[in-house]
Amino acid sequence: EVQLVESGGGSVQPGGSLRLSCGASGIILSDYYMNWVRQAPGKGLEWVGRTRNKANSYTTEYAASVKGRFTISRDDSRNSVYLQMNSLKTEDTAVYYCAREGSYGGPDFHYWGQGTLVTVSS
Amino acid sequence: QSVLTQPPSASGTPGQRVTISCSGSSSNIGSNYVYWYQQFPGTAPKLLIYTNNQRPSGVPDRFSGSKSGTSASLAISGLRSEDEADYYCAAWDDSLSGPVFGGGTKLSVL
Repeated sequence: EVQLVESGGGSVQPGGSLRLSCGASGIILSDYYMNWVRQAPGKGLEWVGRTRNKANSYTTEYAASVKGRFTISRDDSRNSVYLQMNSLKTEDTAVYYCAREGSYGGPDFHYWGQGTLVTVSS
Repeated sequence: QSVLTQPPSASGTPGQRVTISCSGSSSNIGSNYVYWYQQFPGTAPKLLIYTNNQRPSGVPDRFSGSKSGTSASLAISGLRSEDEADYYCAAWDDSLSGPVFGGGTKLSVL
């Protein structure tokens, strides 16, 4: 059974940093593109970015709203993906989900984690 | 303001058929697959429909998807109280080089 578990959320002041983790079980993470998707309180879903798989050199892509501030990385030996968030803004407050991309590319997200809440507030 | 446009709410009575629309453009729905997600409060989204009209295993055939031009629809037949949830459409956007989502539709079963 595929399971994704996010961790690392919490409260941080504007301008601060936070690193989220997404641990995977039941899959070999290096085979898959992994995405981060967020949802602000009471709002809809917003794609944050993704890291391609080993076969595609682990390259990354980001939404314009986070480009230059957020970085996605992965450690396949730990079967984990990370989201490093710097220069955080109040509008980054959201539940952050990691999601495994399927055969058809984004947004073919068959598996999601339970999410971790990030609150950016002074 | 979401790239894909959905009605904020929809409703129906048990047993009824309801449809939820999703409007986009040539750079997203018009040229890429559409996906639908179901989300209950406090939980992660669940894939309901992929590649326009395919259901993952375990999704009842009461749920169906369709696409025409730059619009798509999710239909739910034989509506049940447990279908009360938020529904999101999604597609890849060639101009933005990433997935885009609709703003979500809150379905109420009266």
